Amino acid sequence: GAGVSQSPRYKVAKRGQDVALRCDPISGHVSLFWYQQALGQGPEFLTYFQNEAQLDKSGLPSDRFFAERPEGSVSTLKIQRTQQEDSAVYLCASSPSGTGGDSPLHFGNGTRLTVT
Amino acid sequence: QQQVKQSPQSLIVQKGGISIINCAYENTAFDYFPWYQQFPGKGPALLIAIRPDVSEKKEGRFTISFNKSAKQFSLHIMDSQPGDSATYFCAATGNFGNEKLTFGTGTRLTIIP
Repeated sequence: GAGVSQSPRYKVAKRGQDVALRCDPISGHVSLFWYQQALGQGPEFLTYFQNEAQLDKSGLPSDRFFAERPEGSVSTLKIQRTQQEDSAVYLCASSPSGTGGDSPLHFGNGTRLTVT
Repeated sequence: QQQVKQSPQSLIVQKGGISIINCAYENTAFDYFPWYQQFPGKGPALLIAIRPDVSEKKEGRFTISFNKSAKQFSLHIMDSQPGDSATYFCAATGNFGNEKLTFGTGTRLTIIP
């Protein structure tokens, strides 16, 4: 596709519900990242995939957060038993390879999650 | 040590003026410093980036100045236009094997006529 696509754009969940956020990266992009952006803050790293391999999940806030990219393209971020502090914009980004100057990161428009 | 500190939090500049946003870092292993522009409801978009082997990089009206010894870098927007009104984030990464970007807290820039 033309860019990174994320769905849904908005998600309202009641506390305790499970949610799944989808990311369609740019076709052919090897690297895929998930970031969390709280209101008025910069994006914070959650996890990183190279193809289907999850190479870094050090930013996931708790074991309620789980991400997968089973076929090396589409990725899903799942949050179990959502809490109010999970309310944020979840950004997906992809790049041909890594994050360096020769491989710029392309962000989607994010999914805004509100937990009530 | 992984933090990137950004200032100011918000900035108002008259049309045609110069907008300056500053960032500072601690981790000397950082070797790639991009700036991102974000409009409301959109994801961040890469604006310009620099590596520490040069002290300045210019692309159109946008210039990054880099001071390796001070561990500081800044974004200058010349001839600022109302369309430049957005939130700007500095970021940094290094060869850590995980490729993750560490972002600053953002600067909300408003260009007034």
